[in-house]
Amino acid sequence: SQQGEEDPQALSIQEGENATMNCSYKTSINNLQWYRQNSGRGLVHLILIRSNEREKHSGRLRVTLDTSKKSSSLLITASRAADTASYFCATPSSGGYQKVTFGTGTKLQVIP
Amino acid sequence: DGGITQSPKYLFRKEGQNVTLSCEQNLNHDAMYWYRQDPGQGLRLIYYSQIVNDFQKGDIAEGYSVSREKKESFPLTVTSAQKNPTAFYLCASSPAGQGGKEKLFFGSGTQLSVL
Repeated sequence: SQQGEEDPQALSIQEGENATMNCSYKTSINNLQWYRQNSGRGLVHLILIRSNEREKHSGRLRVTLDTSKKSSSLLITASRAADTASYFCATPSSGGYQKVTFGTGTKLQVIP
Repeated sequence: DGGITQSPKYLFRKEGQNVTLSCEQNLNHDAMYWYRQDPGQGLRLIYYSQIVNDFQKGDIAEGYSVSREKKESFPLTVTSAQKNPTAFYLCASSPAGQGGKEKLFFGSGTQLSVL
């Protein structure tokens, strides 16, 4: 079963704009991760935020986590055409650390 | 270069045939995973393994089998019992058997199609 659900499913923006995508999850977590997938490729880890953190930055990425609402957001600032990809949130599923389940993803298109 | 290698990139299966997807890693990771991705959808966990000679079923294990005889290798067999095998298959690994705490490293995937 999918633990996370991203919103929106698809997003199209102009280069230079900011892109925000959201993730909601169902059970308590120890951390939440964001991954990126270019079409037809494997996923690449972007950032991990732990349950005791509220915000984390990495370059043009900003992730927030609200454990009371069971939600997280990924903000990409000053987007570039190369940011075009699908973005997934991932959480350890209930029952242990070994299972990592993924959301349904947000497909981002950045128009040059 | 360290990483995860999946092969083949494309694979075709005939009716009633078993096919095996290869996944090899040289990252010295303990944990390895197989995910299935259908078009426009997220990843669903098929099997995962924390250590050699041990593995657990994920959410959609029916019609699949795995082995973990070596730390570096985690092959996935799609059996004839899997009636809808067409999908993109992704292998991943993580250190220390704690995939929930550490990031996953992914291979580039195998696209399986039915002839």
